[in-house]
Amino acid sequence: KQEVTQIPAALSVPEGENLVLNCSFTDSAIYNLQWFRQDPGKGLTSLLLIQSSQREQTSGRLNASLDKSSGRSTLYIAASQPGDSATYLCAVHFTYSGAGSYQLTFGKGTKLSVIP
Amino acid sequence: GAGVSQTPSNKVTEKGKYVELRCDPISGHTALYWYRQSLGQGPEFLIYFQGTGAADDSGLPNDRFFAVRPEGSVSTLKIQRTERGDSAVYLCASSYRQGDTEAFFGQGTRLTVV
Repeated sequence: KQEVTQIPAALSVPEGENLVLNCSFTDSAIYNLQWFRQDPGKGLTSLLLIQSSQREQTSGRLNASLDKSSGRSTLYIAASQPGDSATYLCAVHFTYSGAGSYQLTFGKGTKLSVIP
Repeated sequence: GAGVSQTPSNKVTEKGKYVELRCDPISGHTALYWYRQSLGQGPEFLIYFQGTGAADDSGLPNDRFFAVRPEGSVSTLKIQRTERGDSAVYLCASSYRQGDTEAFFGQGTRLTVV
């Protein structure tokens, strides 16, 4: 079974600190990996999409890396701010999810709290 | 539209009733997905449409759940004989095409079955 795991489940850091969120997946045959942010009671906001041929993507203070061979991705957040407090979800498009399927498989997320 | 739109944002229904949840994807997006998210969990896949057809409905939990996308744009998720265990946030996403493109999610419909 293809699975995505995110550790830790929760993380609390002081404002200004750099931090890393981890995502691991069980099968290296993937189309892409996507990081999302979810605020309480809200939908998902796409942060970064990394294609299987890429090693990293950057957007502002965010940098996501992908190591397919080890089944790992990290989301690096620089100079964290209280507004970064949210749940961060990692999702993988596995190459084979069943014939004709292109579903995302999600981790359970890491709940980040940035303390002013 | 500018983003994926889902209506209603909240729905409370009595056990045994029928409900419909609507999703209006980003204009021009051919792929549409429904997911369900329970408290403290990541979203779980329900069904995927490419155009008008359901290319993969393997995530639908049972035959009380059904979804349509008759004209290849708006989709409706239909739940018959609702049960308390159906309570969750139902999320819709769309992408330009299947596979390698970015998925954009709506704000979700919070369904509560009482």
